Formats: sequence, structure tokens, C-alpha cells
Amino acid sequence: QVTLKESGPGILQPSQTLSLTCTFSGFSLSTYGMGVGWIRQPSGKGLEWLANIWWDDDKYYNPSLKNRLTISKDTSNNQAFLKITNVDTADTATYYCARIGGGHWFAYWGQGTLVTVSS
Amino acid sequence: DIVMTQTPSSQAVSAGEKVTMSCKSSQSLLYSENKKNYLAWYQQKPGQSPKLLISWASTRESGVPDRFIGSGSGTDFTLTISSVQAEDLAVYYCEQYYDTPFTFGSGTKLEIK
Repeated sequence: QVTLKESGPGILQPSQTLSLTCTFSGFSLSTYGMGVGWIRQPSGKGLEWLANIWWDDDKYYNPSLKNRLTISKDTSNNQAFLKITNVDTADTATYYCARIGGGHWFAYWGQGTLVTVSS
Repeated sequence: DIVMTQTPSSQAVSAGEKVTMSCKSSQSLLYSENKKNYLAWYQQKPGQSPKLLISWASTRESGVPDRFIGSGSGTDFTLTISSVQAEDLAVYYCEQYYDTPFTFGSGTKLEIK
């Protein structure tokens, strides 16, 4: 059974760095073909893809976030991470991690973690 | 970036009715080498995370009821629910994974009369 769970700071101030952790089970990021992605959703709005990381450490980023993103993984502890630097109120959203399927689609999703950026 | 346009933005149907919703991409999602369309459909029920329904435009995920049917090719795609049930109340999103940045449509909200 594949499960994923996101964790984050809840609230942070503008200009700080947002650090998110995705802890998963039911698959390994050291297995060929596995990957994890991050997607966010402002309240009442649509979905925005942020970044993907694959078993071989190949990484993909959304260029709209202008080099603010860093995705990484800890294979031994079944975790993936996302950092977003210099956050702004526009970064307020629910952040999801998801296991990537055979292509860059999101087969299994976590419950999401709400992040609020406020001064 | 590939722009995904979903229509309608919302629709209300009665249980048992057939419903179709559209997803159009600004460029073709059909990869010529494998003849596959790089499009997925998701269902997001109120207060829940999105759930994958369909990948490769028409391949239903395991456990997804067969009333959910994905079709289309190139730039025009459709999600059909052959006989809507009350539990299908949700927002439905399409996603293209043909090219980065991977992009989602703005969603179609399905309401049950």
C-alpha cells in the first residue's frame, strides 16, 4: 500500500525559506522508475506543479518559480524534500507530494500540508 | 508552456445522466514515436487530495469505476461519466505531462442536481 504524508512549518514569514518533507511508504525511491513530485494548490484554486525527482536523481523544476526551488531525496529514510526560498504571500497554499507513475503523472497523493506566509 | 483549457468551468447534472467535459491543449500531446497522448485526468472531491482517474488519455486506473471514460487525441480530450452518481461530486482536472512545465487545466466542477 502506497502512502505519502507531507510535513511543513505551517506558517512562516515573507523572505524566509520554506522546507517541506514528504515521508512515504509502499515504494522506494531507489527502485527503477519511481519518482516523487510536489504540487501546490492555493485555497479554492487550481493545481500548480512545482518539481519532480526520480530514482536516478534526475530532477525537473517549474521555471516559473525562478530558481527558488530545490528538490532532494533521502532514499534510506523514504523521504523527499522541497525547499522554496524567499517566500511571499503568493506561496500560501496546500502543498502535496505525490508518487509519480510511469510518466510524469501523479498516481498517489498525500493529504497535503497547509502553508501560510504572513507577516 | 502548454496551456490546458477546460470547459465548462462548472456543470450540474442529475444522478444517472451522462456528462462530458472537455480539455484542450495549446499544442499536441501525442508523441509520434509511441503514439501515446501524454494526458491524465484527476478527481478532487471536497476537502480531499486529487485522485488519479486516467493516464495516457484513456487508460483507467485500477479500481476506477468503468463509468469514467477518457478519450481524445492530439489537442482535444474528453472525460465522460456515463451515468453520474452522487459520489462523483468533485472538481475534475486534466494534466499534460508531455513537456515541462507540467501543467493542469483550471478544472471542471461537477455538481449534482
